[in-house]
Amino acid sequence: EVQLVESGGGLVQPGGSLRLSCAASGFTFSSYWMHWVRQVPGKGLVWVSRINTDGSNTDYTDSVKGRFTISRDNAKNTLYLQMNSLRAEDTAIYYCARDPRGPRADLDYWGQGTLVTVSS
Amino acid sequence: EIVLTQSPGTLSLSPGERATLSCRASQSVSSSYLAWYQQKPGQAPRLLIYGASSRATGIPDRFSGSGSGTDFTLTISRLEPEDFAVYYCQQCGSSPPYTFGQGTKLEIK
Repeated sequence: EVQLVESGGGLVQPGGSLRLSCAASGFTFSSYWMHWVRQVPGKGLVWVSRINTDGSNTDYTDSVKGRFTISRDNAKNTLYLQMNSLRAEDTAIYYCARDPRGPRADLDYWGQGTLVTVSS
Repeated sequence: EIVLTQSPGTLSLSPGERATLSCRASQSVSSSYLAWYQQKPGQAPRLLIYGASSRATGIPDRFSGSGSGTDFTLTISRLEPEDFAVYYCQQCGSSPPYTFGQGTKLEIK
């Protein structure tokens, strides 16, 4: 069974940092592009970032470029999102998701999400 | 960046009825690169349709997608109680950013 489990969310002050993790199981993690998508509670979905299978190719939405870094450890079957210089507008539920036909971004499995709250 | 506009914002229907949800793009989208998701409260999105018309694994055949260019449609042929949720369309493809529509809430009438 495919499973994606996010962790690392929490309350952080503006300007602070967090690292999110997404532990993958039930599939060959190293064969799939992976993405992060966020959602302000009660609002819509926003694509954040993607990474290719070996981590050599990454992309970001404009609002997080230079502040967020996506990475992966295929030996540990884990996806990461390092978030620096956090702003109130980064407050959201962050989901990791698998791209089965990468790079295409029609995402077939999603984690349950981890909530990041940026507030003083 | 392609902007996706979904309509209506809210759709009120009864179980057994047919639902038609619309997604309009600000510029042409390849049919291969349009997806639909369902999201229920407190849950992650669930992929329903990819490539505009292909059902994802395990999705009932009452869900169907169609369209091309700038106009796409998700149809639920006969609503079941578990279908009442929020639906999002998404523009996919080889190059980001990958934008989502703002969502259509399908509620029980």
